[in-house]
Amino acid sequence: AQKITQTQPGMFVQEKEAVTLDCTYDTSDQSYGLFWYKQPSSGEMIFLIYQGSYDEQNATEGRYSLNFQKARKSANLVISASQLGDSAMYFCAMREGGYQKVTFGTGTKLQVIP
Amino acid sequence: DTGVSQDPRHKITKRGQNVTFRCDPISEHNRLYWYRQTLGQGPEFLTYFQNEAQLEKSRLLSDRFSAERPKGSFSTLEIQRTEQGDSAMYLCAGPGGPNTGELFFGEGSRLTVL
Repeated sequence: AQKITQTQPGMFVQEKEAVTLDCTYDTSDQSYGLFWYKQPSSGEMIFLIYQGSYDEQNATEGRYSLNFQKARKSANLVISASQLGDSAMYFCAMREGGYQKVTFGTGTKLQVIP
Repeated sequence: DTGVSQDPRHKITKRGQNVTFRCDPISEHNRLYWYRQTLGQGPEFLTYFQNEAQLEKSRLLSDRFSAERPKGSFSTLEIQRTEQGDSAMYLCAGPGGPNTGELFFGEGSRLTVL
């Protein structure tokens, strides 16, 4: 089974609107971490936001927030007030338990329309 | 700037040749990770070092691949007898926050095997 599933290969959003990128995960560990990364066309992987499995509050970083629904095993990324510079690939990722390996999903390509 | 430098940024080689990539993390990073990213996919874990010890290797790392981290500082990833299927972006990463576990990636080394 896939550890991280991103079902939206591509998304469009109007500039200044909010957008939600979906991510579901699969783990039997109680302790894990969830991450979102942005990869612009230039190729670098940029860390955006982190959510720990024991965190009761949803993580927020500026215009990014992570909608964490533990029972559903979902960790959706919400980008508010989209900007043209938000156009990029977005990857959801997970680190399980005491492991060092971080597993990534296949990504969602977001395009912001002026 | 994540503090992780990779060299070369681009490498074009002919099938059957050997290539070596270098990663220079921030000196205080005791952990170092290598990932591979093929077109349209998320990064895939290859291997990880704790100081100079290679503690985990993916099954993706065939016997043509070897990674080293002498003295626990910079790391090299060598691919022998390259194949066209080795064409990918090779990403090096260092650890982020001690309590969150995110990775900070270098800009990557793009390999094209002709």
